[in-house]
Amino acid sequence: ETGVTQSPTHLIKTRGQQVTLRCSSQSGHNTVSWYQQALGQGPQFIFQYYREEENGRGNFPPRFSGLQFPNYSSELNVNALELDDSALYLCASSWGGQNSGNTIYFGEGSWLTVV
Amino acid sequence: RKEVEQDPGPFNVPEGATVAFNCTYSNSASQSFFWYRQDCRKEPKLLMSVYSSGNEDGRFTAQLNRASQYISLLIRDSKLSDSATYLCGSGGVTGGGNKLTFGTGTQLKVEL
Repeated sequence: ETGVTQSPTHLIKTRGQQVTLRCSSQSGHNTVSWYQQALGQGPQFIFQYYREEENGRGNFPPRFSGLQFPNYSSELNVNALELDDSALYLCASSWGGQNSGNTIYFGEGSWLTVV
Repeated sequence: RKEVEQDPGPFNVPEGATVAFNCTYSNSASQSFFWYRQDCRKEPKLLMSVYSSGNEDGRFTAQLNRASQYISLLIRDSKLSDSATYLCGSGGVTGGGNKLTFGTGTQLKVEL
């Protein structure tokens, strides 16, 4: 096990609602990144948090936002949910997000269904 | 063109076979490469990092070809338990933090 925990594991939301997903990073890791994985696709990078600040973002609209807390845990918030937001949301924990290319370890993910 | 491309498969192979997957990447600034294994409806799990010199872990061998911008994964003596989707990821771009760009994955089915 990676020691990366996510909650909730499954949830169903209605279009237009907001959702918050949570992640606790592996002990000793100070960097958290979030990925969206739609069925049949690879994980797509949403953003990375290092020292409580966003320090990298993928091609996702501003309604995807996040936070990192002093204990390095993190939240992903998605506002105004759309049907296409239905996916597996993966949190990845790593060390040294100010550098490049360190190994990332995924949590078990949160399955979001938007109806 | 996608930044990381993989043949989606599926690759159906008999138990004991040797199977190889390739993955091409377009960002020449990428410095780190990984193979992850993903079981159905589960999270990706790190299989191995890929180094320029190549690396081996038991039945698994990974290679990097920077000139042609591809990485490969070789699985020898396939087991039924190797059936999964194999994702390649590239990253390590300066200023990119630990961001990885993944391919869509290659599905492997090992059969009796």
